[in-house]
Amino acid sequence: GEDVEQSLFLSVREGDSSVINCTYTDSSSTYLYWYKQEPGAGLQLLTYIFSNMDMKQDQRLTVLLNKKDKHLSLRIADTQTGDSAIYFCAESKSSASKIIFGSGTRLSIRP
Amino acid sequence: KAGVTQTPRYLIKTRGQQVTLSCSPISGHRSVSWYQQTPGQGLQFLFEYFSETQRNKGNFPGRFSGRQFSNSRSEMNVSTLELGDSALYLCASSFEGHQNTEAFFGQGTRLTVV
Repeated sequence: GEDVEQSLFLSVREGDSSVINCTYTDSSSTYLYWYKQEPGAGLQLLTYIFSNMDMKQDQRLTVLLNKKDKHLSLRIADTQTGDSAIYFCAESKSSASKIIFGSGTRLSIRP
Repeated sequence: KAGVTQTPRYLIKTRGQQVTLSCSPISGHRSVSWYQQTPGQGLQFLFEYFSETQRNKGNFPGRFSGRQFSNSRSEMNVSTLELGDSALYLCASSFEGHQNTEAFFGQGTRLTVV
């Protein structure tokens, strides 16, 4: 079946790197996403990776994919207070529709 | 370019009533998907419409329905509202749906059922 799991909370010090982990069960997932949700806002796509890639870097964001273990991670370098939000890991088989989301990881930043 | 627009932003309804939520996708986008977000169940896929046809459906009861118009605007309807239907309903649009990787989300409609 389709299931995406991630830890609920992460607290990091400002300036440190944040690493948010996620596991998924559907080996036929083609697209893997990271979305960000700030209070009172909708979902913002941060980055995505195709299942045939191992890594993708986009400015402060690095996504690592271990397809064998069905493990996805998002690293945010030099975490800032503006990065405080809930981060959702998600997957879909073939398109931007029918996206299966994890429960979200609430990232809080300590001064 | 305007983003995905959902109306209304907030809604309070009574149990047993019905409600209609509206979503205007980004211009040129033909795929519209709906999601329900609750603290207990997280984000769950409701259904997707493409060119006025329902293309994908999640595991929700028949009280949840939707439609899409020729201009790609979409509505979702929930009949016989239950307290558990209180949620943030998010709409997302994408260009084609297939072979496309980005869904753009609206701000959502927060429905409270009392």
